[in-house]
Amino acid sequence: EAGVAQSPRYKIIEKRQSVAFWCNPISGHATLYWYQQILGQGPKLLIQFQNNGVVDDSQLPKDRFSAERLKGVDSTLKIQPAKLEDSAVYLCASSIYLAVYQETQYFGPGTRLLVL
Amino acid sequence: AQKITQTQPGMFVQEKEAVTLDCTYDTSDPSYGLFWYKQPSSGEMIFLIYQGSYDQQNATEGRYSLNFQKARKSANLVISASQLGDSAMYFCAMREGHGGFKTIFGAGTRLFVKA
Repeated sequence: EAGVAQSPRYKIIEKRQSVAFWCNPISGHATLYWYQQILGQGPKLLIQFQNNGVVDDSQLPKDRFSAERLKGVDSTLKIQPAKLEDSAVYLCASSIYLAVYQETQYFGPGTRLLVL
Repeated sequence: AQKITQTQPGMFVQEKEAVTLDCTYDTSDPSYGLFWYKQPSSGEMIFLIYQGSYDQQNATEGRYSLNFQKARKSANLVISASQLGDSAMYFCAMREGHGGFKTIFGAGTRLFVKA
């Protein structure tokens, strides 16, 4: 079974530029998550999709971050314009429903973003 | 307030010995799930083990076991017979209903396995 795919793996941009990340979840997984992981910290949820609807985007900085999941499969996360503090690893995860508290997430390799 | 607390920023263990990574959590929800993930230097988060709040027995998965003490709100990960490949960051996480079934991660513990 193929895992969660993400691209690019690395990205270096200057502040105020735009950047986009792509995620392809495990086939059949209805739920997709984007996390931001700053160096030395645990992942922080940015947005959660159920199929192509947003379930939770309460921690997404909506003035600069946007995300979409067309057709309930692939997803893109965009930052426009980027700030220095956006330097982090952006992790995509997907899950299949087992039980409400037992929704194990499977993560992709992440995109390491450096904003200069 | 911290929902998930991992008090050990770094731990050392000798190869083939057992090690316990601490995790305490805070929730008022009687129903919740607890997870442990491993993150090697490659960056990918790997699911290790799950414990439900109503599970009577401690979860085990191969060399991993979860020491669940509900009254103390602790969910420590025990790795038996450590291997060099166990060197990684380990994250404890909790999924609860309060706030909409989010999964919240701790800050992690870096484990170093010595040969």
